[in-house]
Amino acid sequence: AQKITQTQPGMFVQEKEAVTLDCTYDTSDPSYGLFWYKQPSSGEMIFLIYQGSYDQQNATEGRYSLNFQKARKSANLVISASQLGDSAMYFCAMRETQGGSEKLVFGKGTKLTVNP
Amino acid sequence: DSGVTQTPKHLITATGQRVTLRCSPRSGDLSVYWYQQSLDQGLQFLIQYYNGEERAKGNILERFSAQQFPDLHSELNLSSLELGDSALYFCASSGGFRGEQYFGPGTRLTVT
Repeated sequence: AQKITQTQPGMFVQEKEAVTLDCTYDTSDPSYGLFWYKQPSSGEMIFLIYQGSYDQQNATEGRYSLNFQKARKSANLVISASQLGDSAMYFCAMRETQGGSEKLVFGKGTKLTVNP
Repeated sequence: DSGVTQTPKHLITATGQRVTLRCSPRSGDLSVYWYQQSLDQGLQFLIQYYNGEERAKGNILERFSAQQFPDLHSELNLSSLELGDSALYFCASSGGFRGEQYFGPGTRLTVT
């Protein structure tokens, strides 16, 4: 079974600074996908960024980038120029596929607080 | 707005009762997934449907059931409710080549 580990229950960052949220994963599948989601206090889950196991370059989406280190099985999310609206829970997830089935396996999340 | 809709947004009911949660996926998406988020269990996958067929089952209790209809909307039925079933229930849909799932706003279920 695949596993996602987020070791930081909470992180604090000053507005306009960069922050890295850690995620390590465990899988024996050669092909996999990694995702990051943001959950603000309002509760919705917002898709942020995707990294495929065969992607040659680290994924970027605006202020979000992924520091993907395949050999170390880590996929850390980097948020640049933090904004107050970035305060939220952040979840790392891995896609698990078997035959025609598919599901996301989530880590426990990191609560990010951006201070003014 | 993810394009996935869920109703109702909030549901308060008593133990032993039965409720139905409804989800409409994004236009064009054939896969629907249900997840449960609780404080102690985190985000747990419940079940996946693809174009009306059940494709995968996760940690879904026997008291829970789901289906996907020909118009692709899905319903999650929870019966004989217990206090521990109180949670946020998400529906998600996917259709992109990356397999990313887009989540609805969730239904917050409170069992009293």
